[in-house]
Amino acid sequence: DAGITQSPRHKVTETGTPVTLRCHQTENHRYMYWYRQDPGHGLRLIHYSYGVKDTDKGEVSDGYSVSRSKTEDFLLTLESATSSQTSVYFCAIKGQRDTEAFFGQGTRLTVV
Amino acid sequence: TQLLEQSPQFLSIQEGENLTVYCNSSSVFSSLQWYRQEPGEGPVLLVTVVTGGEVKKLKRLTFQFGDARKDSSLHITAAQPGDTGLYLCAGASSNYQLIWGAGTKLIIKP
Repeated sequence: DAGITQSPRHKVTETGTPVTLRCHQTENHRYMYWYRQDPGHGLRLIHYSYGVKDTDKGEVSDGYSVSRSKTEDFLLTLESATSSQTSVYFCAIKGQRDTEAFFGQGTRLTVV
Repeated sequence: TQLLEQSPQFLSIQEGENLTVYCNSSSVFSSLQWYRQEPGEGPVLLVTVVTGGEVKKLKRLTFQFGDARKDSSLHITAAQPGDTGLYLCAGASSNYQLIWGAGTKLIIKP
């Protein structure tokens, strides 16, 4: 158990509203990631963080921002939600072996 | 752009049958991982293969990394309903980012 908690687990929001998803980890991992998962696309990296206040963009970062003010928390914000951002969002941390990922349980976001 | 293609995308078979899932790329990876994901949960790491030609076994699951480290396969012997899930492969690129396949949805019918 990598001690990763995502909140909320489910959310329905209206188009144009801001939304923040939270990822909390208890084991002091340096690297944290936000992915979205859509049928037929697998997992796509949105943003990642390699330390407090150190973040970088992934392949699908448009419309998303992140913040990491504490080691244990990594926040993903949709500035103005759109229907194309309806998805399941996963937070992950990097394991001891550089390339292994451990995931939270996901947040199912629906934008109506 | 590095891509990982998984095949088949969907597989439904009877309990007791054998199956193989493939993960192919034109790029070389430093390592490759296989994950299983159940509905409503995040992916869970099954295995990491690192060396070209490497074979790893996890009970009835056999994982192989291609000699050129561009492809991998997952073979399940005598599949059981508990093997049902989404199987994902992920390759580690030179900068340690993970490149993900789209997944194989596997259903094992009793």
